[in-house]
Formats: sequence, structure tokens, C-alpha cells
Amino acid sequence: DQQVKQNSPSLSVQEGRISILNCDYTNSMFDYFLWYKKYPAEGPTFLISISSIKDKNEDGRFTVFLNKSAKHLSLHIVPSQPGDSAVYFCAARGNTDKLIFGTGTRLQVFP
Amino acid sequence: DAGVIQSPRHEVTEMGQEVTLRCKPISGHNSLFWYRQTMMRGLELLIYFNNNVPIDDSGMPEDRFSAKMPNASFSTLKIQPSEPRDSAVYFCASRDTGGTYNEQFFGPGTRLTVL
Repeated sequence: DQQVKQNSPSLSVQEGRISILNCDYTNSMFDYFLWYKKYPAEGPTFLISISSIKDKNEDGRFTVFLNKSAKHLSLHIVPSQPGDSAVYFCAARGNTDKLIFGTGTRLQVFP
Repeated sequence: DAGVIQSPRHEVTEMGQEVTLRCKPISGHNSLFWYRQTMMRGLELLIYFNNNVPIDDSGMPEDRFSAKMPNASFSTLKIQPSEPRDSAVYFCASRDTGGTYNEQFFGPGTRLTVL
């Protein structure tokens, strides 16, 4: 009954190329989506978010796209850097303060 | 600001023992969240508080788990008795619900190992 799904447990990308991390959700009541980044032995840190009234939000090298009809969002990182290597979590929020997280995607950026 | 503070960072205990995890949220934040991270289920919300009051504990796995927030600057998550399947990383997060943004700020986590 995972409401937020990240179907790719890992992704490997060459430095300088684009990284695309995907996330699917099932609950059409979610109105806000966030991406968190997590390094080993640290807590997740907020990266970027998007409201359901938008379809794109950009912050530097990071862009999040939202396709409400498909209940799908994606995080694009371009150009990818070795320091981007981490686990990325997608999260969604409905009409409460609760965030529902996916299981994460481990991104490795190699030189 | 020191961020969200959690203690201990690592805890190793034997099955049947009581475990208490501690969290100090960011000063001024009025919501506090306890999560558990496992490989299979990712980050699961266990319970959250608004203004020290528990709002939703539907994620607490069973009666062995309990959480308290006696004041705005401190919360505990207790497992009694602990079992090997409780082994995971437990995160505490806080948020200012009056702020502009919706993000939660996470602590570094407590890695719990129950033998």
C-alpha cells in the first residue's frame, strides 16, 4: 500500500550528464511534493519542492517536474556532479502535516 | 542554530531491553515527527506532534512503541520490550507550521541494533 513509489532503487550517471530520478504516487489528494537528499550517516536534507498547481520548479541545477494526470514526478539534475551521489527520497503531502516518503533511489555519479 | 539534535547516535541492545531515543527540535518549531528508516519500507512516519500534542500515531507499529513530548524542546521515543525487527535508523524531524515552506528538518538519526 505504498502511496509514494520510487521504482528504481539505484541509478548510475556519468559526471556532466543528466540524472533523472522518478517518483509515482497513487493519492490524487496530495497537493505538495518534495525531494530530499540523504548522505550516509546523516539525516535527509530538503532539496526542492513543487506545489500541485505547478508543473515545474527549477532551482539551479535541480528541476522538478510534475505530471498530475500521470501521478508522476521527476527530479532532473544537470549537470550531475560527484557530490550529488546520495540517496534521494521523494515525498508527498496531503491535507495534513504528514509527509509520505518513497523508498529512495541511490544515485551514483562517476567521473 | 544547531539543528535537530538526536541522542544517542548509536544504540546496541539486547532483545527484551527498553530503549529510549531522544530528540530536541529546532527552537521555534512547533511540529515534531518521528520516522523509521528501513531498506524495505524507506522512511516511515511513526508519530507526529503539533504544539506538543500527538496528532497522528497511526504509524506506530505496536504497543511496544510509545512517544512523548513533555515540552516544546524535547521528545522521546521508547520501545519496550525491544525486538530484533526493531533494528533500523530512527529519525526525528521538526517543522515550523507557521513558516512559508513545507519542509521538515531532520536530525542525524539514531541507529538502533537489537541483538
